[in-house]
Amino acid sequence: NAGVTQTPKFQVLKTGQSMTLQCAQDMNHNSMYWYRQDPGMGLRLIYYSASEGTTDKGEVPNGYNVSRLNKREFSLRLESAAPSQTSVYFCAGQGSSGANVLTFGAGSRLTVL
Amino acid sequence: GQSLEQPSEVTAVEGAIVQINCTYQTSGFYGLSWYQQHDGGAPTFLSYNALDGLEETGRFSSFLSRSDSYGYLLLQELQMKDSASYFCAVRSTGFQKLVFGTGTRLLVSP
Repeated sequence: NAGVTQTPKFQVLKTGQSMTLQCAQDMNHNSMYWYRQDPGMGLRLIYYSASEGTTDKGEVPNGYNVSRLNKREFSLRLESAAPSQTSVYFCAGQGSSGANVLTFGAGSRLTVL
Repeated sequence: GQSLEQPSEVTAVEGAIVQINCTYQTSGFYGLSWYQQHDGGAPTFLSYNALDGLEETGRFSSFLSRSDSYGYLLLQELQMKDSASYFCAVRSTGFQKLVFGTGTRLLVSP
């Protein structure tokens, strides 16, 4: 039972390159989230998916796209990476308990040069 | 929209008690939760308050006052391993998204 798994853990990109961060959960979570974390900024919501087949914008969606491929997987894509997207990205899942309990992946550290 | 305010840093010594405050502004309200994050790690869930009052989980307690849009996390018998960042988070009624505060860095010294 791995929980929430993110890949890759580390990535270095050049400005303008594209990449996809992968997230998979085996906890049967309905809702899944992508956050980014920058020093002094806390966790900011990029996109979320309340259920399979639906996605919605969070606080900072510009420059990102997401896909909820199935209940298990929720990917985050950077089409044309910019230095401002250098950050640590966390994927999280939430079950249906009603409490605000998110289970986070280990994080993906992305550097855009 | 939603906004949360927390102190940026709190320091304390081992064995002491520390309180981390969180004030929030949100349209509608569906609970205040707390997360802990050690350096280099992922946030982990600590506590959740849907109703006013105190919730206790071992050395940690969390309090909520909905009329004051205020809550706090109380950590007792501090240990060195409690040095971490602590985030409060709120979810508005009818919305699935959970919004986090900017976090409070707790430094516990011997």
